[in-house]
Amino acid sequence: EAQVTQNPRYLITVTGKKLTVTCSQNMNHEYMSWYRQDPGLGLRQIYYSMNVEVTDKGDVPEGYKVSRKEKRNFPLILESPSPNQTSLYFCASKPRGQGNTEAFFGQGTRLTVV
Amino acid sequence: GQQLNQSPQSMFIQEGEDVSMNCTSSSIFNTWLWYKQDPGEGPVLLIALYKAGELTSNGRLTAQFGITRKDSFLNISASIPSDVGIYFCAGRTNNAGNMLTFGGGTRLMVKP
Repeated sequence: EAQVTQNPRYLITVTGKKLTVTCSQNMNHEYMSWYRQDPGLGLRQIYYSMNVEVTDKGDVPEGYKVSRKEKRNFPLILESPSPNQTSLYFCASKPRGQGNTEAFFGQGTRLTVV
Repeated sequence: GQQLNQSPQSMFIQEGEDVSMNCTSSSIFNTWLWYKQDPGEGPVLLIALYKAGELTSNGRLTAQFGITRKDSFLNISASIPSDVGIYFCAGRTNNAGNMLTFGGGTRLMVKP
C-alpha cells in the first residue's frame, strides 16, 4: 500500500530535549517536505527536499533541521525544542514534475513541548 | 511567504444544504488544489486544477480555477454528515520544490 509513515504519532517532551520525527515513503517519490499545522494558519512549510542530499528552507524553518540521506526517509530534527514548536506536523511526498499526482500526506505527529 | 486567504473560517449547516468556500491570493498560482482533513488524519486531495478558468467536478464537489489565477472556489452540493471536516485550499507556483502554500482552512460542520 502506497503511504507516507510518520513516527511517532504523538509526543510530549520538555524544552531543550532533542527529538527526531521520522518520515518514510514507499512510493519512490523525489520530493518530500515537512509542514506544521496551527489553528487558523493552515499548513506552513518548514523544509523541503527535491532529492537525496538536496534540502532547502520553507516558510518557517527556524528551530528545525532535516536530512535526506536516502530517498525514502526525511527526518525532522528539533535540536532544542521550545513551547512555540508545539504543533501538528505533517510529512508529504510527491513525484517530480507536474501532472495529476499531487502531494501525499502522512497521518501527522502531534508534538507538545512543555 | 505567500498568503492565501480562505473563507469562511467555519460553517455550520443543515444536511442537504449546498456549501461554498473560496480562496484568494495576492500572487498568481499555476495550480490550485483542494484538500479535506478528517480528525486525526492528514489532508487528502479532493480536486486539482491546472488551468486558469478550469471547472472540475468530483461527485458532489465542484471547484474552479479563477481566470486571474489568484483565486479558486469549492462548492459542495447536498451536504451529508460525512462532509464534516476541515477543507484547505492550496496553491503552487513553478518555484523550486513545487511545494504548496495553504489557506487557513474552512471547518465544516453538518447538522443531520
